[in-house]
Amino acid sequence: ILNVEQSPQSLHVQEGDSTNFTCSFPSSNFYALHWYRWETAKSPEALFVMTLNGDEKKKGRISATLNTKEGYSYLYIKGSQPEDSATYLCAFNFGNEKLTFGTGTRLTIIP
Amino acid sequence: SQTIHQWPATLVQPVGSPLSLECTVEGTSNPNLYWYRQAAGRGLQLLFYSVGIGQISSEVPQNLSASRPQDRQFILSSKKLLLSDSGFYLCAWSRGREETQYFGPGTRLLVL
Repeated sequence: ILNVEQSPQSLHVQEGDSTNFTCSFPSSNFYALHWYRWETAKSPEALFVMTLNGDEKKKGRISATLNTKEGYSYLYIKGSQPEDSATYLCAFNFGNEKLTFGTGTRLTIIP
Repeated sequence: SQTIHQWPATLVQPVGSPLSLECTVEGTSNPNLYWYRQAAGRGLQLLFYSVGIGQISSEVPQNLSASRPQDRQFILSSKKLLLSDSGFYLCAWSRGREETQYFGPGTRLLVL
């Protein structure tokens, strides 16, 4: 059984504050880690694909880091805005056609 | 550019009735195709994936089936729906293994 775990399950953050959350995955047989943002009433939108230990990717105010040796990735949001409210999903790929998704972190930005 | 379509957007069906959800992709050829379900309060569960016409891999044994009659068409079916089949069904495509998956708008299914 391949578990991808995300924490916390939900998070409330004041507008303007920065925040981060975690994705944990099996450290053996790593191939790629994906981050998605899923807004209510929309479909999941790809944020990052990370493949190398020590990778750091950035998209605007959102960035992510990857540690394949210890099996975790952090997603950071700097200066949270109301439009950042969404569920953030990570997904693990073992080098085949499938992604195993975590249950997500539901982020709510408080104006 | 590539686009992915799903229909219908919402569906209310009685228990025991059949189901057919359709997904089509435009602007790419030989994509990997996927069906996911999100049940209430749960994460995304992979149901089926396909790497080519007529090739279907099933992830979870259940009363659902999938078919890929054409390169860019993926169909999710059931002969008899159960209450537990209610959920949000998402189709996705990718260019290949380890590539980003791009999701369709989804179908919300309520079985009564």
